[in-house]
Amino acid sequence: GENVEQHPSTLSVQEGDSAVIKCTYSDSASNYFPWYKQELGKGPQLIIDIRSNVGEKKDQRIAVTLNKTAKHFSLHITETQPEDSAVYFCAARGGKLIFGQGTELSVKP
Amino acid sequence: DVKVTQSSRYLVKRTGEKVFLECVQDMDHENMFWYRQDPGLGLRLIYFSYDVKMKEKGDIPEGYSVSREKKERFSLILESASTNQTSMYLCASSLDPSGLLDNEQFFGPGTRLTVL
Repeated sequence: GENVEQHPSTLSVQEGDSAVIKCTYSDSASNYFPWYKQELGKGPQLIIDIRSNVGEKKDQRIAVTLNKTAKHFSLHITETQPEDSAVYFCAARGGKLIFGQGTELSVKP
Repeated sequence: DVKVTQSSRYLVKRTGEKVFLECVQDMDHENMFWYRQDPGLGLRLIYFSYDVKMKEKGDIPEGYSVSREKKERFSLILESASTNQTSMYLCASSLDPSGLLDNEQFFGPGTRLTVL
């Protein structure tokens, strides 16, 4: 069936460093790839998304890249801050929206 | 701002009990979803609804049912709770009557259910 694999499961960085989270998907018909951020005690919230006709999208300190041939996409966070600490989920939609397993990002001051 | 509220933040039930989890959204969204969140497994779709009285099975519907009598309210029902249903349950809504667009899903804060 459709599957999204996300790595790493945990990531610890120093404040100011960059963080990269990677996802791969199995359904070649997938055409929409959102990223959600879940802060402690809250539900996930959309932070950025990309569609299959675009290779890269940037919004201030966050960027997403998509490689359709390899069926993988990544989230890049630059100049990390303590408030970036959260669980991040990637997702891919072909028929249904399928979420990855989540990455717990910890940014140490 | 879109607001999705869930009836309880924490819930403790006993094996065999019937459990109701309620979700309400205030933005007139067509679509509503129930997910469960478990460590290492991400978010898994239990059921979704794209209209009043309509429901579709997600990836893990076994042991669950849903009800959508009003557009703003989507209920998840555990007919006979079991310990393997101990989890975080997240409700979400999105606006997309056609089902053709990729609309943002807005999530509630979650209900952490423990079944003893």
